[in-house]
Amino acid sequence: GDSVTQMEGPVTLSEEAFLTINCTYTATGYPSLFWYVQYPGEGLQLLLKATKADDKGSNKGFEATYRKETTSFHLEKGSVQVSDSAVYFCALKRASGSRLTFGEGTQLTVNP
Amino acid sequence: GAGVSQSPSNKVTEKGKDVELRCDPISGHTALYWYRQSLGQGLEFLIYFQGNSAPDKSGLPSDRFSAERTGGSVSTLTIQRTQQEDSAVYLCASSLVVRGRAREQYFGPGTRLTVT
Repeated sequence: GDSVTQMEGPVTLSEEAFLTINCTYTATGYPSLFWYVQYPGEGLQLLLKATKADDKGSNKGFEATYRKETTSFHLEKGSVQVSDSAVYFCALKRASGSRLTFGEGTQLTVNP
Repeated sequence: GAGVSQSPSNKVTEKGKDVELRCDPISGHTALYWYRQSLGQGLEFLIYFQGNSAPDKSGLPSDRFSAERTGGSVSTLTIQRTQQEDSAVYLCASSLVVRGRAREQYFGPGTRLTVT
């Protein structure tokens, strides 16, 4: 079945540090890939997405590139801020499906 | 505009009791989803409704769980004879469906269920 594997957390960084959160997936066909973010006390929000190979999703300084050859969708940000502290979830959706399959989530804490 | 709303935001119940959780999707969204977020299990799909089609119930963990969607809008997730392992945050999401394909899912704030 479909699955998403994220790097284990928690991740703690200093402000302005470079962030990478690894995400790899297993799925048949060509799924769409997503990063969702959950800020403390808030609901899940879509951060970015990519729907086909080599697409790059970007939002709020975050980027992720759909790499079919490595079945990966790693999240990156060049300079994190304290306000980026949250839990980040990688997810996929089959082209023919509706449900999202999520990774375990990665807790990010950014210290001033 | 109004987002997905869920009620109650918190629910504490005794083991063995039944609970109902409510979801109001974004107006005009024909697709509605329930997920569960629990320690150790992450975010799991539970059930999906789309228009008048039969719901996809394949994620429901046991027959104690059921859901309905009345009038193509509001949905209720019911858990009968609750167990401690049902403690989790129950998330609802909705999306538009365009040319048969579900678009971006928008999530509600969730209902935190605690079974004592």
